[in-house]
Amino acid sequence: SQQGEEDPQALSIQEGENATMNCSYKTSINNLQWYRQNSGRGLVHLILIRSNEREKHSGRLRVTLDTSKKSSSLLITASRAADTASYFCATFFSGTYKYIFGTGTRLKVLA
Amino acid sequence: DTAVSQTPKYLVTQMGNDKSIKCEQNLGHDTMYWYKQDSKKFLKIMFSYNNKELIINETVPNRFSPKSPDKAHLNLHINSLELGDSAVYFCASSQEVAGLEDNEQFFGPGTRLTVL
Repeated sequence: SQQGEEDPQALSIQEGENATMNCSYKTSINNLQWYRQNSGRGLVHLILIRSNEREKHSGRLRVTLDTSKKSSSLLITASRAADTASYFCATFFSGTYKYIFGTGTRLKVLA
Repeated sequence: DTAVSQTPKYLVTQMGNDKSIKCEQNLGHDTMYWYKQDSKKFLKIMFSYNNKELIINETVPNRFSPKSPDKAHLNLHINSLELGDSAVYFCASSQEVAGLEDNEQFFGPGTRLTVL
């Protein structure tokens, strides 16, 4: 299976703490993207990092990419209860018209 | 104002029936997708269409037949529904441009299909 894997599968933290989730993938990529899925909703794009980038920030989000290890991490700082959701990484290779999603991390932020 | 819309949101039907799910995007994107998300939340691509042409068919049973009447629509028709078809189906779109690397996907709200 080409599907990427994420760990942990589930993460429970207190509000204000940082949350880190990791993604490993198998194929060559042009970019890697992180998405959030709130319960019962569609996925929402959070951040994209290109294959030639190592780190990217967007608000409280920090993404790293290590193409030699085929892995990425998403850090959410100062988490809030509203961050409770499932987080998915997705890899994309230009010309394939195909995004390969990871297995997802379910984050629960306790108030 | 909804970028990607799907109907219906919920679909409950008996085994053996035929049903359709509709998807429309108003973003002007060239590429549309159907995904299946199972009970374990695994998200698997089913089909990808670019400019109304089928690009990807990920070993989906031929009971599933996508149809793209125009770039803005990608409908999914399912024949002879089976219990294992129960899942949430998501439509998505993106703009695939040669050399463009910043191509996020926009997802619809999903259709929860329950086959009894």
